[in-house]
Amino acid sequence: GQQLNQSPQSMFIQEGEDVSMNCTSSSIFNTWLWYKQDPGEGPVLLIALYKAGELTSNGRLTAQFGITRKDSFLNISASIPSDVGIYFCAGDGNNNDMRFGAGTRLTVKP
Amino acid sequence: EAQVTQNPRYLITVTGKKLTVTCSQNMNHEYMSWYRQDPGLGLRQIYYSMNVEVTDKGDVPEGYKVSRKEKRNFPLILESPSPNQTSLYFCASSFFRGAVFGYTFGSGTRLTVV
Repeated sequence: GQQLNQSPQSMFIQEGEDVSMNCTSSSIFNTWLWYKQDPGEGPVLLIALYKAGELTSNGRLTAQFGITRKDSFLNISASIPSDVGIYFCAGDGNNNDMRFGAGTRLTVKP
Repeated sequence: EAQVTQNPRYLITVTGKKLTVTCSQNMNHEYMSWYRQDPGLGLRQIYYSMNVEVTDKGDVPEGYKVSRKEKRNFPLILESPSPNQTSLYFCASSFFRGAVFGYTFGSGTRLTVV
C-alpha cells in the first residue's frame, strides 16, 4: 500500500516561533489532509487540500499540496502553548485507501 | 452536536477475557472505521464498514471482529485479548471512504491487556 513518511517525529520550540512539518508519499495522492490530536482526544481535521499546488490557510496554519502530488507541508506561525499536540498528515490515492503519517509531536515552551 | 461516541474511554482487562468497545455516530454517515494508535506507528486501520452489513479488513485485523447491524453503531470486539493489543483505539466515520470529506474521530479508548 501507499507509504507516508512524516517528519520530524517531534519538535520542541519556544512560544512565538514558527513551525514546519512535512509528509512525503511513495505514490501520488489525490487528497492531502492535516489533523491535530490534542492530548487525550481524537484527531480533528485542520486543513484539506484537493489540488496539486494548492496553498490553504486556516488562521495561523498554512498547508500546501506539493506539485508532484507526492508531498505536503504544514506551517504554524507564531506558535502558542495550545498548539501542543500531535499533528498527522493523511491522504489517499486512486483506491480511496486513506493513509496516515506517524505523526509529529509538538511541544511549545512558554 | 455532531459526534462520534466511544465507550469506554479507559479499560484494563486480563488476557483472554472477551470485550467490546462501542462506537456510535449521529451524523448518518455510511462509512465507519476502527484504528489503533501506537507510538511511532501513527494510526493503523483495523476494520472498516462501507454500509450496514458491509465490513472489510484494514491493515491490522488479526485478533479483532466488528459488526454493522445498524448504520449508527460499529462495535469493535476482541474475542480473546492479548497484551499486544494494548493500545489507543479510535473510531471514525464519514459520508464515504477516502479523504475527500475527512473523517470525524471519537475521543479514543485506551485499552490495557495484562
